[in-house]
Amino acid sequence: AQKITQTQPGMFVQEKEAVTLDCTYDTSDPSYGLFWYKQPSSGEMIFLIYQGSYDQQNATEGRYSLNFQKARKSANLVISASQLGDSAMYFCAMSAPAGGFKTIFGAGTRLFVKA
Amino acid sequence: EAGVAQSPRYKIIEKRQSVAFWCNPISGHATLYWYQQILGQGPKLLIQFQNNGVVDDSQLPKDRFSAERLKGVDSTLKIQPAKLEDSAVYLCASSFGGRVGGNTGELFFGEGSRLTVL
Repeated sequence: AQKITQTQPGMFVQEKEAVTLDCTYDTSDPSYGLFWYKQPSSGEMIFLIYQGSYDQQNATEGRYSLNFQKARKSANLVISASQLGDSAMYFCAMSAPAGGFKTIFGAGTRLFVKA
Repeated sequence: EAGVAQSPRYKIIEKRQSVAFWCNPISGHATLYWYQQILGQGPKLLIQFQNNGVVDDSQLPKDRFSAERLKGVDSTLKIQPAKLEDSAVYLCASSFGGRVGGNTGELFFGEGSRLTVL
């Protein structure tokens, strides 16, 4: 069975500083994809970044990077130079072929950026 | 490119009434998902369609929830009869389905349908 765990219900970060949001996962499928989504208070889910299980390098997208540690089954999101607009819920998600590419989500972390 | 369309955005009903939500995915997306997101929680997958076939409906409360995707395009999610605990946002998402042709399999979400059951 696949599982995503996010253990930080809420996080605070000072504007312009970096922050790491934790995510661990569990799957028996050797091929899988890991995703991070952002959900602002308006409610829409926004795709941020993707990491494939066979990718050799950590994914980066602008100020977002994914710290992928396969042996530890962790896929932490790093946001550099935090901005006030980064305040939102952040969800880690996973999909795998064995599950028909079903995408499951963690419980989320609420990030608060302080001015 | 048009995004995922959902309606209605908001619905308020009394318990034991019925409600239906509609979703039109992005053109060409084979896979369609319905998620239930209760306030403060992560999205929970209710049902996944690949074209017009069901891939996974293991978490769909089939005694009261039903969903269909006729012709492999738009989809309807119905709740009958509704319970208080069904109050949530119902998110529809679509994707190409799998990681094909360089696609990551990322999901594209609609704005959601917020249901309040009184």
